[in-house]
Amino acid sequence: EAGVTQSPTHLIKTRGQQATLRCSPISGHTSVYWYQQALGLGLQFLLWYDEGEERNRGNFPPRFSGRQFPNYSSELNVNALELEDSALYLCASSLKRGGFYLYNEQFFGPGTRLTVL
Amino acid sequence: AQTVTQSQPEMSVQEAETVTLSCTYDTSESDYYLFWYKQPPSRQMILVIRQEAYKQQNATENRFSVNFQKAAKSFSLKISDSQLGDAAMYFCAYRDPPGGGADGLTFGKGTHLIIQP
Repeated sequence: EAGVTQSPTHLIKTRGQQATLRCSPISGHTSVYWYQQALGLGLQFLLWYDEGEERNRGNFPPRFSGRQFPNYSSELNVNALELEDSALYLCASSLKRGGFYLYNEQFFGPGTRLTVL
Repeated sequence: AQTVTQSQPEMSVQEAETVTLSCTYDTSESDYYLFWYKQPPSRQMILVIRQEAYKQQNATENRFSVNFQKAAKSFSLKISDSQLGDAAMYFCAYRDPPGGGADGLTFGKGTHLIIQP
C-alpha cells in the first residue's frame, strides 16, 4: 500500500511569490492535515480537510489556504511569501470508518522543504 | 488550549541500554489520544506508539512502551535494548477526541535521541 506522497520535495521561492504544495493521501483516507515544521517553532497544525471541506485551521494568517479535491488529494497554497515561511511542510492523512477516525492516527508524508529567499 | 511539553531537548544512551523520554501535557478533556512519533534524518514522521486516554493499560509495541499517568498528565516513552536505528527526533503528540478542538495534532518540541555505539 502506497503511503502519503508529497510534491515537490524541495521548493525555492522569493519573497512575495506564491507557493503551491501537493499531497496525496493513502488510498481510502478522506482526511488530510497540513503541518508546518519551522526551525525553533516545532510542528504546528495548519489546516484540516475532510471530504472536500476545510474543517479547521490552526493559528496561521489567511494567506495560508488550500483545498481538497474529489479524489481527496490536497493542495496547500501560501501567498505573499515571507522569509519566515521557510520550513518543512508535512501532510498527513487519516482513515475514517463508520464516521469515526480510526484510532485518530495520522500517517505522514515525507514533506516539502520550502525555502523563501 | 492543549499544550505538550517535552523537557529533554536531547538524550543520549548506549546501544542495548534502556532510555526514557518524558512528556507532559495539559488538557481539560477526559478522553483524548496520545502518540509518540519518530522523525529520523530522512524527515519522515513515523508513528511509534499510541495510547487512548480511556484505556488504563499502558501501550506496548515490541521494544517501545509507555508509562501513562492520566492524573499527572504524563506520557513517557521507554525504549528498551536501544538500537542504532532508534536515533531520531522523538515527538510526543496529543489529539482531542473526535468533534473536539482543532483535530490537528498538538506536538511537543521534540527530544533528540542519540545512540552511542
